[in-house]
Amino acid sequence: QSALTQPASVSGFPGQSITISCTGSTSDVGGYNYVSWYQHYPGKAPKLIIYDVNKRPSGLSSRFSGSKSGNTASLTISGLQAEDEADYYCCSYAGSDTVVVFGGGSRLTVL
Amino acid sequence: EVQLVESGGELVQPGGYLRLSCAASGFTFRTYAMHWVRQVVGKGLEYVSGISSSGSRTYYADSVKGRFAISRDNSLNMLYLQMGGLRGDDTAVYFCVRDRDSSGSYPSFEIWGHGTVVTVSS
Repeated sequence: QSALTQPASVSGFPGQSITISCTGSTSDVGGYNYVSWYQHYPGKAPKLIIYDVNKRPSGLSSRFSGSKSGNTASLTISGLQAEDEADYYCCSYAGSDTVVVFGGGSRLTVL
Repeated sequence: EVQLVESGGELVQPGGYLRLSCAASGFTFRTYAMHWVRQVVGKGLEYVSGISSSGSRTYYADSVKGRFAISRDNSLNMLYLQMGGLRGDDTAVYFCVRDRDSSGSYPSFEIWGHGTVVTVSS
């Protein structure tokens, strides 16, 4: 069982917006502003798409955005495109002993 | 081109040892913290270990503390993971990952390799 809880699957139609939630606790998501999100196509190397809750790496599409409220972080993808179909993982700093924890991943299907 | 290439994964018996290597190229290796993250086939990602840019600080997941050791050679642009006391639940794809900064204290995993497969089985 992963430390952070994500929905196993989400879906949307091209052009729509979807939001993936990532729920933790005050020991991780709620306690620090160090949440990151990763896009992963199976068999490929994962890709950082959001760091420090809401920052995008240079060159990344503004269709991807992140936010946090309390113990829950969220990833929103707007203007869904077919190539967005992938697995998405959240990750949070969780203190000096645990370091980081990941969510179980969410499979995004573009209908 | 920024590149991380892992090697060393193989089939090993329970209780055995293995050393993973990661060759870095295309960036100034000595200025970035580095990490190992693993994924059991069909499952999610799990943090394994990290090391600061100078090698002075190391970080470990509870599941590998006392069994795994991370190290780096900045003169060779190489990252290593020495694995011991291997168990079945260590079976996974192991990714070499570059952090966004030098300390590794608050990891953001910016660049990933394609992974090397470790299988622990008798």
